[in-house]
Amino acid sequence: QVQLQESGSGLVKPSQTLSLTCAVSGGSISTGGYAWGWIRQPPGKGLEWIGYISYSGSTYYNPSLKSRVAISVDRSKNYFFLKLSSVTAADTAVYYCAREVITGTTSGMDLWGQGTTVTVSS
Amino acid sequence: DIQMTQSPSTLSASVGDRVTITCRASQSVSIWLAWYQQKPGKAPKLLIYKASSLEIWVPSRFSGSGSGTEFTLTISSLQPDDFATYYCQQYNSESRTFGQGTKVEVK
Repeated sequence: QVQLQESGSGLVKPSQTLSLTCAVSGGSISTGGYAWGWIRQPPGKGLEWIGYISYSGSTYYNPSLKSRVAISVDRSKNYFFLKLSSVTAADTAVYYCAREVITGTTSGMDLWGQGTTVTVSS
Repeated sequence: DIQMTQSPSTLSASVGDRVTITCRASQSVSIWLAWYQQKPGKAPKLLIYKASSLEIWVPSRFSGSGSGTEFTLTISSLQPDDFATYYCQQYNSESRTFGQGTKVEVK
């Protein structure tokens, strides 16, 4: 079955760029009807949607993060990526990648990675 | 931005209790609302989509209802495995938003 796995730097210095990768296994990232997104959860807090890239390549971002976020995809490797620039301590969180069903009879974020912890600190 | 507000933030209940969580949207999201269950240290899991459709793994004691701006998640008879935090999430707009979460804890 399809699985997602996040990877990337666990420690980022303030003002630098956070970079994460989500590897999709067991299925193709190019399959129609899905979007591939990122969600984060600061310690002890709730979920915050960061954005997604659709199967057609369209991107949508949280307006509060839009100026600092970029989500991209490498279809040849079945990966998608998150870059978040100019990070501060407020960006410290567990970062999840997730698959969202955007067409068809079902919907919602039906598949999640296990999450990766990113700490912003000098 | 569409804001999602859940109530209560914390709910204390016992096994066998009927539990209801409310989620309100700042503007209509039609039926484009999902509920997620999250346990400590784990990723969220999709419970309900399109306001009332259960994911295949979800027991029938869970139900969702509502449309427009007001939604509810009900657990008809709380089981030990149900103690967790629950989040609603709208996907009516291109920018998705989550509620702040409701923690269901042991009374």
